[in-house]
Amino acid sequence: QSALTQPASVSGSPGQSITISCTGTSSDVGGYNYVSWCQQHPDKAPKLILYDVTKRPSGVSNRFSGSKSGNTASLTISGLQAEDEADYYCSSSTASNSWLFGGGTKLTVL
Amino acid sequence: QVQLVESGGGVVQPGGSLRLSCAASGFIFSTYGLHWVRQAPGKGLEWVAFIRYDTSNKYYADSVKGRFTISRDNSKNTLYLQMNSLRTEDTAVYFCARDFGGFDIWGQGTMVTVSS
Repeated sequence: QSALTQPASVSGSPGQSITISCTGTSSDVGGYNYVSWCQQHPDKAPKLILYDVTKRPSGVSNRFSGSKSGNTASLTISGLQAEDEADYYCSSSTASNSWLFGGGTKLTVL
Repeated sequence: QVQLVESGGGVVQPGGSLRLSCAASGFIFSTYGLHWVRQAPGKGLEWVAFIRYDTSNKYYADSVKGRFTISRDNSKNTLYLQMNSLRTEDTAVYFCARDFGGFDIWGQGTMVTVSS
């Protein structure tokens, strides 16, 4: 059960767009459309921002969007805002009745 | 208001046991699967265990299999995690999370420290 692979950090200026990748295998990310993304601010609980690869929960800004190609899923945040600075985690269900998280990506808004 | 509230964390010696609870409110508890997820200090999220809404299936991460047991009481709207044979590497904040298109609702977490 190895973690999904995410970049450790990304950065962008206010108003710009950034993309965070999440790479797994055909037994998890590539095999199912059950990839989700969470946002976590320091010392806070995670918050779901995308599920089923592209769907946004009610109340989540449409600046957050998702996609998937093969074994890699991506989270794109457009129109970066200071409040977007946080850690982001992808997750996926797997073929072995388990769930995997990515190692997390720290987003810095410059 | 949909809410999950964990309790039961604390300091325990290696080899010891602890039971965590997660009290739910604001939704029909008996119709949702539930997870435990943990986060070691300064580290990322790690999935721990899952239980279906009707307890028919329970799944565990390899790192806790045989030591942790997930359970629920739908009459009390409460999820549990019984942790036995605790190790120092189990030190983490433990979150419960509802399963709906991912981990859609999270509790605030409860800290478990395994130390001699």
